[in-house]
Amino acid sequence: AIQMTQSPSSLSASVGDRVTITCRASQGIRNDLGWYQQKPGKAPKVLIYAASSLQSGVPSRFSGSGSGTEFTLTISSLQPEDFATYYCLQDYNYPRTFGQGTKVELK
Amino acid sequence: QVQLVESGGGVVQPGGSLRLSCAASGFSFSTYAMHWVRQAPGKGLEWVAVISYDGSNKYYADSVKGRFTISRDNSKNTLSLQMNSVRAEDTAVYYCTRDTWKNSYLFDCWGQGTLVTVSS
Repeated sequence: AIQMTQSPSSLSASVGDRVTITCRASQGIRNDLGWYQQKPGKAPKVLIYAASSLQSGVPSRFSGSGSGTEFTLTISSLQPEDFATYYCLQDYNYPRTFGQGTKVELK
Repeated sequence: QVQLVESGGGVVQPGGSLRLSCAASGFSFSTYAMHWVRQAPGKGLEWVAVISYDGSNKYYADSVKGRFTISRDNSKNTLSLQMNSVRAEDTAVYYCTRDTWKNSYLFDCWGQGTLVTVSS
């Protein structure tokens, strides 16, 4: 199974900060990667698919980049509603595998 | 609107069985692959199983292979997960999700989740 390693596992940031989360795959997965946001007690929500495509309705402050084994999710200016946990997910093959998550907390 | 609603969660004893259901509405259910994803309390997301749009192909996580069975009834717009020989580590919120293709696959619709607790 492909292992997805996210970093950092948590971070503290302030409103307005630029935040970057990294996800590394244990083997090349082309651009078959998505980013998901999850708030406590809620189901995850897709933000980015195909590594860099913004899902409809998602604010443009979210962006994704990368290909192969290294990917990043960037929030250009953190907003109060962005404090949540973020997961990457590879859809290159089965079993689908998630990163372990990055919790973004208020500094 | 597009909606997925899970049901069937509850408390089950180790070694017991439970059947989860997911009712789909607002989209053409029979044209989408469907997945189950779970989340143990305080932990991250874990993919569990997938079934193709017509039920002909199924894949499972190693952690549930041989114990869980995914199925669907396209005439009733329903996805199911039969959980047998459950273990304490199967305790989790179980989500059903829709798999959509847009140059890559994405889980673009999720249910609210149903909690399964394995305990004696």
